[in-house]
Amino acid sequence: DAKTTQPNSMESNEEEPVHLPCNHSTISGTDYIHWYRQLPSQGPEYVIHGLTSNVNNRMASLAIAEDRKSSTLILHRATLRDAAVYYCILRLGSARQLTFGSGTQLTVLP
Amino acid sequence: SAVISQKPSRDICQRGTSLTIQCQVDSQVTMMFWYRQQPGQSLTLIATANQGSEATYESGFVIDKFPISRPNLTFSTLTVSNMSPEDSSIYLCSAGDGQPQHFGDGTRLSIL
Repeated sequence: DAKTTQPNSMESNEEEPVHLPCNHSTISGTDYIHWYRQLPSQGPEYVIHGLTSNVNNRMASLAIAEDRKSSTLILHRATLRDAAVYYCILRLGSARQLTFGSGTQLTVLP
Repeated sequence: SAVISQKPSRDICQRGTSLTIQCQVDSQVTMMFWYRQQPGQSLTLIATANQGSEATYESGFVIDKFPISRPNLTFSTLTVSNMSPEDSSIYLCSAGDGQPQHFGDGTRLSIL
């Protein structure tokens, strides 16, 4: 499986944008880029996914580099509820399971 | 989106005993999975629970230790057998036939 590299931790101030980076230099053409987050004492929660183009939804935006070797999850206005571990995951288009890396622990400061 | 319920949410067990964790999905799904999350760690896939056939286990996990049942398209169980303190973890069920996958909130298991 292609691997992802994320910073172990990041901090953000409340109501400011947050950019969470992910490197995936060995990504293949059929790998989708998924982001999940895990809030304390909960199971992982889907955030967003994309293949080549940038994606937006109500939770976040996903910016994908032109060469697809990196991506950035953007939270437009961080709230205290966004404090979580964010996982960047590559998922083969036909695969069903998710392979989790170590993720980024996001701390949001009031 | 699918809602996944796990029971129990937590338990404290004696070493050498076994515990069965239940996972109920509110809609029919083909694919269900079991993950383990050790303290302070990320999630590791244990197995894929296949309906009507034996589960598919990942490297490092065996059926004798983690037997799985999948009697229908909305339910699965994971048993943690002959428990030792090293089995103290959170066990999570997930389901989803497409994208995304949905997760339960996990079963927090402590072995004394």
